Amino acid sequence: GAGVSQSPRYKVAKRGQDVALRCDPISGHVSLFWYQQALGQGPEFLTYFQNEAQLDKSGLPSDRFFAERPEGSVSTLKIQRTQQEDSAVYLCASSLGREIHEQYFGPGTRLTVT
Amino acid sequence: AQSVTQPDIHITVSEGASLELRCNYSYGATPYLFWYVQSPGQGLQLLLKYFSGDTLVQGIKGFEAEFKRSQSSFNLRKPSVHWSDAAEYFCAVGPDSGTYKYIFGTGTRLKVLA
Repeated sequence: GAGVSQSPRYKVAKRGQDVALRCDPISGHVSLFWYQQALGQGPEFLTYFQNEAQLDKSGLPSDRFFAERPEGSVSTLKIQRTQQEDSAVYLCASSLGREIHEQYFGPGTRLTVT
Repeated sequence: AQSVTQPDIHITVSEGASLELRCNYSYGATPYLFWYVQSPGQGLQLLLKYFSGDTLVQGIKGFEAEFKRSQSSFNLRKPSVHWSDAAEYFCAVGPDSGTYKYIFGTGTRLKVLA
C-alpha cells in the first residue's frame, strides 16, 4: 500500500541557498510531523500539523525554517539561507489520530549543505 | 523536561540469542511510549506502543516490551534474534505536556552475528 513519501531523497545545497522538501502523507491522515535527524542521533521534533493548521512549531530551530500544509495533505518544509548545521536527514511522519499518534514515517530527505 | 535515555549505543548479539534493549524516560504524567526500528536508508517503523492497561505489550516481528513505572523503564525484548533484526532501535515518549512534541532517544544500534 501507499506509505509516506518524501522528495527529493537527496539534496545538496550550497550555503545560502533556499531548499524545499516535500512530504506526501498517507491519504486520510490528519496529523503530520516533521523531524530533523542529525548523524548518529534520534529524530528531533520540528513541527506538527493537524489538517492544514500548524499547531506546534516549537521545534523549528530558527526563523529560516518554515513549514506549510495548505490543503491538509501534502506538506513542504522550507529552509532559507541554508547553513552547514542544517545538514541532516529530514523525516516526515503522518498519523491517523489527532491525540495519540502512531506515526508512519517516510524514508527521509538527506540534506547536505556545502 | 521530558527525556528519553537509551544507555546502550551499540549491542552485539549472536543469531538465536535473546535480546533486551534498555529505555528509561522522564515524564511527568502517564507516558505514551513507543519503540521504532530504522533500517539503513529506511524510515522509522513502529514496533510497538504502550498507552495504558497491560504493562507487557506485544509488537510486530516477535518483539515485546514491558512498562515499569517504578523504574521509569520501557525495555524492548526478543527471545530469539534473527540476522534481519540488525538495525537501529529508537525509544520515544510523548507527546510532551501541552505540545505535540515527541521525544526520541539517541538510538541503539544492533549488530547480529551469524
